[in-house]
Amino acid sequence: AQKITQTQPGMFVQEKEAVTLDCTYDTSDPSYGLFWYKQPSSGEMIFLIYQGSYDQQNATEGRYSLNFQKARKSANLVISASQLGDSAMYFCAMREGQRGSARQLTFGSGTQLTVLP
Amino acid sequence: EPEVTQTPSHQVTQMGQEVILRCVPISNHLYFYWYRQILGQKVEFLVSFYNNEISEKSEIFDDQFSVERPDGSNFTLKIRSTKLEDSAMYFCASSAGTGRYSGSGNTIYFGEGSWLTVV
Repeated sequence: AQKITQTQPGMFVQEKEAVTLDCTYDTSDPSYGLFWYKQPSSGEMIFLIYQGSYDQQNATEGRYSLNFQKARKSANLVISASQLGDSAMYFCAMREGQRGSARQLTFGSGTQLTVLP
Repeated sequence: EPEVTQTPSHQVTQMGQEVILRCVPISNHLYFYWYRQILGQKVEFLVSFYNNEISEKSEIFDDQFSVERPDGSNFTLKIRSTKLEDSAMYFCASSAGTGRYSGSGNTIYFGEGSWLTVV
């Protein structure tokens, strides 16, 4: 089974609108972290937001927020007030394991977001 | 803001040659990683490194690959006898790795990547 599933290969959003990028995950480990990264066409991997499995509140970072629904095993990224510069590939990723572990990140297949003027 | 730096940004190499990709992780981080992304595909884990030894490695990370932390700042990936299918973007990453899975101490930061083209 896929550990990280992103069901939207491509999304379009109008500039200044909000958009939600879906991510579901699969793990039996009670300790895990969920990450969202942005990859523009230039190729670099930019960290956006992090949610720990023990965090009581949904993570927010500026225009990014994470809609964490633990029982449903979903960690959707919400981008508010989309900008043209938000056009990029977005990856959801998960790391399982105990404190201090150097466990690997497992990535989803990504969602290509295009912001329309 | 501290960042992971990688060199070179792009390298073209002949098949069969050895390549060394270099990384300087964020200075107070304890955990280091290499990932790769073949063009148009998912990001794949290669290896993690902690306390001067490999912590985990994927099935991709075979005898062709090795990692080293030769001094207090650099973290290198060596690819011996490169093959055409090694052409990819290689990302170095690091994390502080503190705390339970709560808070930003576990955030993994990536460098800008090194494009490797094997011809």
